[in-house]
Amino acid sequence: AQSVTQPDIHITVSEGASLELRCNYSYGATPYLFWYVQSPGQGLQLLLKYFSGDTLVQGIKGFEAEFKRSQSSFNLRKPSVHWSDAAEYFCAVPNQAGTALIFGKGTTLSVSS
Amino acid sequence: DSGVTQTPKHLITATGQRVTLRCSPRSGDLSVYWYQQSLDQGLQFLIQYYNGEERAKGNILERFSAQQFPDLHSELNLSSLELGDSALYFCASSVTGTGGNEKLFFGSGTQLSVL
Repeated sequence: AQSVTQPDIHITVSEGASLELRCNYSYGATPYLFWYVQSPGQGLQLLLKYFSGDTLVQGIKGFEAEFKRSQSSFNLRKPSVHWSDAAEYFCAVPNQAGTALIFGKGTTLSVSS
Repeated sequence: DSGVTQTPKHLITATGQRVTLRCSPRSGDLSVYWYQQSLDQGLQFLIQYYNGEERAKGNILERFSAQQFPDLHSELNLSSLELGDSALYFCASSVTGTGGNEKLFFGSGTQLSVL
C-alpha cells in the first residue's frame, strides 16, 4: 500500500544554514510526489511536485527536492534558510486510486537566529 | 490567499451535537476535498466531490456526511460528535478532480473543538 514516512518530527536550523527534510515513500510504480508547507494558522501550500523527467525539481521560495528511486526518497532542500521558512512541511503521494493524497506526519521546522 | 474560503474558522460545541462546516472552492475549480488534521492521525482524506457528485471516499466516519451544491460550494456535516472529533478540518479544491496528481488549493481550515 502507498505510504509516506517523514522520519524527523522536528528540526531546528540556524538562519542562513542549509536545510534538508527527509521523505521516504512506498509506492507500486513511479509516483507523483509532492511537498506542501503549512504556516501557522494557514492551510497547506504546494512547494513543488515531481511526476517524471529531471529528478531534481525546483519549487517556490527557493526550495528544491531530489527524487531518488533507488532509495525511495524525495528529500526537500534549501541552501539558506530564512526565519520565514519556519513552518510544518508535508510530503505526499497519491493513494492507490489516484483520487487523493496521502500525507506524511509532517516535519516542523524551527529557525534560530 | 489560496482562493478557498472556509467558515467558520473556529467552532466549539459539545459532545452529541451536530455541526456544519462550509467551503467555497477557488473560482473555476470543480472539485472539493475534505481532510481532517489531528495530532495523532495527521492529515487524513475524508471525501471528494466533483461537480456535485461524490467521487472518492477516504476515512470518513458514518456519522459524517458531505455534499456539493450546484454553485460548487460544499458542506461537511458532523453529527453525534465525540471528543475525538476535535481536529482541524481542511477543504481543498482543484480543477480536474484528479487529486492524486494535481495541485490542491487549501483553505485555512475550521478548528473544531468538542467539549
